[in-house]
Amino acid sequence: EVQLLESGGGLRQPGGSLRLSCATSGFPFSTYAMSWVRQAPGKGLEWVSTISGNGNNTYYADSVRGRFTISRDNSRNTLYLQMNSVGAEDTAVFFCAKGKARSGTYTPLDHWGQGTLVTVSS
Amino acid sequence: VLTQSPGTLSLSPGDRATLFCKASQVISNTYLAWYRQIPGQAPRLLIYATSSRDTGIPDRFSGSGSGTDFTLTISRLEPEDFAVYYCQHYGTSPRTFGQGTRVELK
Repeated sequence: EVQLLESGGGLRQPGGSLRLSCATSGFPFSTYAMSWVRQAPGKGLEWVSTISGNGNNTYYADSVRGRFTISRDNSRNTLYLQMNSVGAEDTAVFFCAKGKARSGTYTPLDHWGQGTLVTVSS
Repeated sequence: VLTQSPGTLSLSPGDRATLFCKASQVISNTYLAWYRQIPGQAPRLLIYATSSRDTGIPDRFSGSGSGTDFTLTISRLEPEDFAVYYCQHYGTSPRTFGQGTRVELK
């Protein structure tokens, strides 16, 4: 059974940093692209970032490029999102999600974690 | 940009629901997906490549469309279908989501 479990959310002041983690199991992690998607309170889904299975290719939304960094540790089956210079606009539930296709990064997201809440406030 | 309509659909169990997703430019059928998000839960993939149902998705869900206009049809609404639905274009970066359509109980 595919399982994704996010952690690392919490309250941060504007300008602060935090690192989200997504521990996975139940599938060959290094084979699949992984993504982060966020959802501000009461709002819709916003794609944040995607990383290829081998970690060599990364993609970012304009709203986070230069501030957020996606990475993965295939030996630990874990996905990360380093978030720097956060602002109120980054307040959201952050979901990690698995790509459906065994290769490539342009793939729909077929398994999702339950999300971790990031709140940015002074 | 993906624009979904209507914003809200008020229907009853057993009704047919038709949801629309319009792209601002032509996109390949290969890269259009639909998700359902029940309140308080993570999204779930329903349809990918415009018309392929994901594993375990019942056949009351169907997708169609081409070019800039895509449709999700739910033939007979079940209680768990009262939720928010999002389309997504995943064939380019950014992997854009539509703003969502809420299907609510009439």
